[in-house]
Amino acid sequence: QVQLQESGPGLVKPSQTLSLTCTVSGGSISSGSYYWSWIRQPAGKGLEWIGRIYTSGSTNYNPSLKSRVTISVDTSKNQFSLKLSSVTAADTAVYYCARVISAAVDYWGQGTLVTVSS
Amino acid sequence: QSALTQPASVSGSPGQSITISCTGTSSDVGGYNYVSWYQQHPGKAPKLMIYEVSNRPSGVPDRFSGSKSGNTASLTISGLQAEDEADYYCSSYTSSSTLSYVFGTGTKVTVL
Repeated sequence: QVQLQESGPGLVKPSQTLSLTCTVSGGSISSGSYYWSWIRQPAGKGLEWIGRIYTSGSTNYNPSLKSRVTISVDTSKNQFSLKLSSVTAADTAVYYCARVISAAVDYWGQGTLVTVSS
Repeated sequence: QSALTQPASVSGSPGQSITISCTGTSSDVGGYNYVSWYQQHPGKAPKLMIYEVSNRPSGVPDRFSGSKSGNTASLTISGLQAEDEADYYCSSYTSSSTLSYVFGTGTKVTVL
């Protein structure tokens, strides 16, 4: 059974960089034709795709966030990470890591709340 | 890339059937058979209910079914139960974004 777990600071100051890591257990991040993604959800609002990474390291980002987002993968640790720079209060949200196959998320992390505040 | 359009809310009585629509364009819903549906209870992560328009993952009750016609996909819940009360989101592959995915706006399902 594949499991994903987000980790990182729950509080980030405005203008700083939000950094989260997703640890994958129960399977190798390098096996299969999966994309590994980040998705966020502001309180009371809908889901928003942030970006995805393939095990080859190729990435794709939401055009609205592209200038501030970096997603990377560390296959030796079975982890992938999210960095979002120059954050503002609008970036406050629950952040989910996820596994994607055939454009569907079959496994989700439990989500982690990140608050942007001074 | 604009979000796919869903009704804000749908309601029904126990045992009834309800249908949630998800409207996009020929660049997403209408152009590809990569529509998925997610159920989200408050404070929980979303759960995959339907993938590739009409396929159910193992463990999802057959009360949940998906379909597509033109640029609109639909999720039908038959024999509505109290535990089906949740938010539902559709998602689709899209050729209009370099990211290739887009979510719907979300629908709150209320069991009366």
